[in-house]
Formats: sequence, C-alpha cells, structure tokens
Amino acid sequence: GAVVSQHPSRVICKSGTSVKIECRSLDFQATTMFWYRQFPKQSLMLMATSNEGSKATYEQGVEKDKFLINHASLTLSTLTVTSAHPEDSSFYICSASHRAEAFFGQGTRLTVV
Amino acid sequence: DQQVKQNSPSLSVQEGRISILNCDYTNSMFDYFLWYKKYPAEGPTFLISISSIKDKNEDGRFTVFLNKSAKHLSLHIVPSQPGDSAVYFCAASLRGNQFYFGTGTSLTVIP
Repeated sequence: GAVVSQHPSRVICKSGTSVKIECRSLDFQATTMFWYRQFPKQSLMLMATSNEGSKATYEQGVEKDKFLINHASLTLSTLTVTSAHPEDSSFYICSASHRAEAFFGQGTRLTVV
Repeated sequence: DQQVKQNSPSLSVQEGRISILNCDYTNSMFDYFLWYKKYPAEGPTFLISISSIKDKNEDGRFTVFLNKSAKHLSLHIVPSQPGDSAVYFCAASLRGNQFYFGTGTSLTVIP
C-alpha cells in the first residue's frame, strides 16, 4: 500500500517555542492531507484538512494561528505548533487519502515542558 | 455530533475465540468503510475495508460485515490471537476524502 512518512516521531520542546511536524507521501501524490490529534483514551480528532496550494480548513475549536499548516507540494504537508504550551502535549497524526483509502503517518509524540 | 460510533470501549476475548467489534454510523451517504488497528504511541494502521456496494469482505482472519439498512458494520477476528490486542477504530468515508472515526474499542486477547 501507499506510504506516508511523518517526522519526527518524538519531540520534546520548551514552553513558548515552536515545533514543526512533517508529513510526506512517499509513493503517491496527495492533494489532500489530514491532521489529527489524539487525546489519552480518546479517538483521533480531526484538526484540519490540508489542501495543496491553498489554505487549510480548520475544524471548529482549532486555533489556526496556533496550529499552522502548510501544504506547499503534492507530497509534503507541515504542521507547526507555535508558542507551544504543556496542554499542547499530545500525539499528532497525519494522513493522506489515496484511491479512497486513508494512509497514516507513524505519528508524532509531542511533549512540551 | 458523532457520525460514527463504537459503543463498546473495551472487549476481552480468550485466545482462539472470535472477536466481534461493532460500529454504527448515522450518515447514509457514507460510501466506504474501514477498520484501523492502533498500538500505543503508534499511528493507526489500515486493517480492512469495505465498499458500500458490498456486504462482506474477508482477508485472512479478518472479516468485515456491512448492514446498510441498519447502518452497522462489524469486524470479526477468527481465531483471535494475543497479538491482536490493540485499539480498533472504524471509519467511514465520503467519496474517499473526509474520514470520520469512531471512538475506538480496546481489544484484549487473553492467552
């Protein structure tokens, strides 16, 4: 199946700094990528839909100025958590759809200290 | 409003027996359904899928059943193995673009 690579897998950062997470589709072109966040013992929550060459569509309640999404090419979308705070600590996952199937990255465990 | 629901947060099954995970949805426009398996601290991995034009899809020990009239799908794992212990998410898709996930069912297979 198609491969989606997410980097880094783990990151620890200081409160107030910014962190960038990359999501790449390795063997297909993804015009649309999705960013999810998982809270403990909860389902994946869709944060935003990333569209190549245009602005991302954010879900209700997600701060677009805090979670910056850039989808500059057909194989790369980035999520930047700006001015991170401890409550931003979570597991972030990207996915890209390919032929009506969703393929997920490995996820990024963000810890803000 | 949760469009995809998994009403059982957890399930325990003896090794060798059948595991049945259930999922209900509300939107009759969903045309593609998927099951994902997730281990702790990892991204979900695709398990099996079914198109809305079918009512059954089988892949090895995994079978997904779709009942469109009841807006219900289920995942059967036979025989269950300890390595199957994970959280299972069902998802529904609209034309392959937007995916809606259930809240997950944590399966424990007891050796």
